[in-house]
Amino acid sequence: DSGVTQTPKHLITATGQRVTLRCSPRSGDLSVYWYQQSLDQGLQFLIQYYNGEERAKGNILERFSAQQFPDLHSELNLSSLELGDSALYFCASSVSGTRDEQYFGPGTRLTVT
Amino acid sequence: QQQVKQSPQSLIVQKGGIPIINCAYENTAFDYFPWYQQFPGKGPALLIAIRPDVSEKKEGRFTISFNKSAKQFSLHIMDSQPGDSATYFCAASWGADGLTFGKGTHLIIQP
Repeated sequence: DSGVTQTPKHLITATGQRVTLRCSPRSGDLSVYWYQQSLDQGLQFLIQYYNGEERAKGNILERFSAQQFPDLHSELNLSSLELGDSALYFCASSVSGTRDEQYFGPGTRLTVT
Repeated sequence: QQQVKQSPQSLIVQKGGIPIINCAYENTAFDYFPWYQQFPGKGPALLIAIRPDVSEKKEGRFTISFNKSAKQFSLHIMDSQPGDSATYFCAASWGADGLTFGKGTHLIIQP
């Protein structure tokens, strides 16, 4: 158990809908990362937050957004969902957010029908 | 993001053997190189990581070898066990950026 928690574990929704994925980092970690894992694209970095502020952006679509709250938990919002958004979404956390160990949560499996 | 190329895609090794997984990168700015292990239905678990100021790092049965001039790094698993059967990912990052992952190696250790 990495200490990173994610909810929900599974999510099934229809095209065009909007969902919110939630992540709580390990105790003491200030940085949260979001990743998407799919069969065709592999593991891809989406976005990083550090202590409430956006720090780095990866291959995140404009339909996706994230935020980190004062208690350091983070939410990833996915809107106007398409079939191709079906994937595993992982949250990871680290202490400083710079060149340090990232610990991954168990993931949320999103299925868009 | 710059690419990280990982090989082989799959690997079968007898118990007690030494599987070796290789990765090559392009971006010379990368300065942190971790390896992750993932079991089906689980999140990636950090195994071991190296920074470019050292050429080798060992933790338990896992060893990373790093060749800065060749822009390559590899994972060796000593005395491999069936419980090591999993998918292994190499990754790289620089500064505050997220990890760039290789495509993964599906490793099977046969009893």
